[in-house]
Amino acid sequence: DAKTTQPPSMDCAEGRAANLPCNHSTISGNEYVYWYRQIHSQGPQYIIHGLKNNETNEMASLIITEDRKSSTLILPHATLRDTAVYYCIVRGNTDKLIFGTGTRLQVFP
Amino acid sequence: GAVVSQHPSWVICKSGTSVKIECRSLDFQATTMFWYRQFPKQSLMLMATSNEGSKATYEQGVEKDKFLINHASLTLSTLTVTSAHPEDSSFYICSAQGLAGSHEQFFGPGTRLTVL
Repeated sequence: DAKTTQPPSMDCAEGRAANLPCNHSTISGNEYVYWYRQIHSQGPQYIIHGLKNNETNEMASLIITEDRKSSTLILPHATLRDTAVYYCIVRGNTDKLIFGTGTRLQVFP
Repeated sequence: GAVVSQHPSWVICKSGTSVKIECRSLDFQATTMFWYRQFPKQSLMLMATSNEGSKATYEQGVEKDKFLINHASLTLSTLTVTSAHPEDSSFYICSAQGLAGSHEQFFGPGTRLTVL
């Protein structure tokens, strides 16, 4: 599976949009981009995934560049409860989710 | 979304004993379950993949005789840490995936194991 690169940490003010970047320059054509988050001492929570089109659900939006080498997860109105580690994962046909180091998002009042 | 439970949520045991952790998919049938381990301030590390009715596939460096995995039904997988030692203390998390072709994996809440 392709590796991803994420900034180790980010801050965001409550109520503002949180934009979390992810680089996956070696992604293959049949690999999806997945986002999960993990709140302290809990299991990971699925957020969103996409192949090449932008995706939106009730939690977030996923913007994938045209060349698919990078993506951005957008939390439109961050709340304190969004403080977590966010993992960007590229997943192919093996069905395994390989977690990188993620981005620790701190939402402050 | 689908719900995955783990039991127990935390366990403390003496060195040398064995500990069994259960992972259940509560409202769907999981053809595949995954076991992860997470040390403090580190990311999740995949330990093994188990398919219902067949032997688990372990990741490189994971001792299959130490971490016994059983996936006897479509809703239950167990991880047994045999002869546990303090270095096995960790946060163990399972995930479950539904029917083949479904991309989604649902994670359990994790089990914190402390070996004294």
